[in-house]
Amino acid sequence: GDSVTQMEGPVTLSEEAFLTINCTYTATGYPSLFWYVQYPGEGLQLLLKATKADDKGSNKGFEATYRKETTSFHLEKGSVQVSDSAVYFCALDFGNEKLTFGTGTRLTIIP
Amino acid sequence: GAVVSQHPSRVICKSGTSVKIECRSLDFQATTMFWYRQFPKKSLMLMATSNEGSKATYEQGVEKDKFLINHASLTLSTLTVTSAHPEDSSFYICSARGETDTQYFGPGTRLTVL
Repeated sequence: GDSVTQMEGPVTLSEEAFLTINCTYTATGYPSLFWYVQYPGEGLQLLLKATKADDKGSNKGFEATYRKETTSFHLEKGSVQVSDSAVYFCALDFGNEKLTFGTGTRLTIIP
Repeated sequence: GAVVSQHPSRVICKSGTSVKIECRSLDFQATTMFWYRQFPKKSLMLMATSNEGSKATYEQGVEKDKFLINHASLTLSTLTVTSAHPEDSSFYICSARGETDTQYFGPGTRLTVL
């Protein structure tokens, strides 16, 4: 079945460090790919998405590129801030209205 | 932007009672709403999908008689946990989807069953 694998956390970085959170997927077709972020005490928010191969989603300094050849959608940010501390979820969707989520990666940024 | 609210944000109940959680899309019409359950340090598990005016579709292993879902209008869906037990304690999250393929999530409801 379809699945999403994320790097396990927690991840702790210093402010202004470079961030990569790995995400790979297994799917029989070509899903849309998403990154959601969950800030402490809040619900999930869509961070960025990509709907086809080689698309790059970007938002708030975060980027992720849909790599069909490696079935990956790694999340990156060049310089993280304390306010980026949250749990990040990679997810896929075939347009059948069912999101499949990874297990989430907790990110903590230290001042 | 699209906003989804949930009420209540936290609820504590006694074992054997029923609890209703509301999910509302505040600024768009949600043709489809989803209910998820999030376990500690785990991912979200889809429980059911509901379309306005029709019966919900439950995922395998989710008891439809225990988790009653009603999607009475294009802006409101409710989840009722019937005869709640301590193992039902969890974080319940709804999401709503309008005309695009993007799901917008509510802030979640923390249910604690004593």
